[in-house]
Amino acid sequence: GDSVTQMEGPVTLSEEAFLTINCTYTATGYPSLFWYVQYPGEGLQLLLKATKADDKGSNKGFEATYRKETTSFHLEKGSVQVSDSAVYFCALSDRAANFGNEKLTFGTGTRLTIIP
Amino acid sequence: KAGVTQTPRYLIKTRGQQVTLSCSPISGHRSVSWYQQTPGQGLQFLFEYFSETQRNKGNFPGRFSGRQFSNSRSEMNVSTLELGDSALYLCASSFRGLGEKLFFGSGTQLSVL
Repeated sequence: GDSVTQMEGPVTLSEEAFLTINCTYTATGYPSLFWYVQYPGEGLQLLLKATKADDKGSNKGFEATYRKETTSFHLEKGSVQVSDSAVYFCALSDRAANFGNEKLTFGTGTRLTIIP
Repeated sequence: KAGVTQTPRYLIKTRGQQVTLSCSPISGHRSVSWYQQTPGQGLQFLFEYFSETQRNKGNFPGRFSGRQFSNSRSEMNVSTLELGDSALYLCASSFRGLGEKLFFGSGTQLSVL
């Protein structure tokens, strides 16, 4: 079945550092890929998405490129801020692999802490 | 506009009981999906309802069920509660389904004693 493997956390970085959170996936169809973020005390919210190979999703300075050849969707940001401290979830939505039954599959989440 | 509202915020139940959780989606959203979040298993998809019909389903036992009303509000029911059902239950809504931007509620924290 579908699966998402996400970089283990927690990750601690200094402000203005470069961020990469790795995400790889297994899917037999043509999934859509997402990054969701959960800020402290808030609900999950969509950070960015990509729906086909080579698409790049971007939002709030974060980027991720849908790489079909490496089945990856790594999250990057050039210069992190304290306000980026949160838990980040990689996810995929795949209808074709499940005979029309679409599921949303999440990674385990990566807790990111940015120190000033 | 109002976000996704889940009630109650917290629940404490004992093994063997049943529980009903409620989710009010954003106005105009017809898709409501439910998720279980635990420290051990992470976020897992339960099911999705669209226009009062269950459209997609995850890999949970039949003790977990749901329904959606004509105003798109949804309820999730768990019967014969087990200790392992203790979790944060999240619901999310969108206009058309799982492949687009989902808006999540703050969740219901269920503790089974």
